[in-house]
Amino acid sequence: ILNVEQSPQSLHVQEGDSTNFTCSFPSSNFYALHWYRWETAKSPEALFVMTLNGDEKKKGRISATLNTKEGYSYLYIKGSQPEDSATYLCAFQGAQKLVFGQGTRLTINP
Amino acid sequence: DAGITQSPRYKITETGRQVTLMCHQTWSHSYMFWYRQDLGHGLRLIYYSAAADITDKGEVPDGYVVSRSKTENFPLTLESATRSQTSVYFCASTPLPRGEQFFGPGTRLTVL
Repeated sequence: ILNVEQSPQSLHVQEGDSTNFTCSFPSSNFYALHWYRWETAKSPEALFVMTLNGDEKKKGRISATLNTKEGYSYLYIKGSQPEDSATYLCAFQGAQKLVFGQGTRLTINP
Repeated sequence: DAGITQSPRYKITETGRQVTLMCHQTWSHSYMFWYRQDLGHGLRLIYYSAAADITDKGEVPDGYVVSRSKTENFPLTLESATRSQTSVYFCASTPLPRGEQFFGPGTRLTVL
């Protein structure tokens, strides 16, 4: 059974602060690593799909890095805003299937 | 409507009944997936399909059946619903093997 771990499980951050969280995944049979943003009462929306070791991706104030050799990815949010409050999911992809972590629930305090 | 839709959005049924959850996408994406969301487990894959008439089991397939006779539809059937199948079910699709997945709005199913 594949194990995808995200830490921390929840995080409270002051508006304007920067933050980051971690996704750990198996370092073998790697195909891709996905990050999704999931707002309450909505559906998950893709942030990034990363495939190469050393990949760095950026979308606005959110960025992510990937280390496939050691099996981890970091998601960074710079200058947090209230609209960043959501659960952030990572998913390890080996072949066609995704295995999701349990997510990091981020709350931005105004 | 364009995109990926699920129906019904809410369903209450009784133990032992057969229930079918529908998923429809208008993008002609090859890959489609069914997930369930459970507290403590996040999203878990039930079944997926790489193309019409090609389906395969995910992590938690027991008690579920899928079919994919047309590219745009991927129904999920609970043959004899059990209380443990009470969950929120999400359908997703993607055009590429390593593509981002696009999720439907979800179906909240309650089995009494």
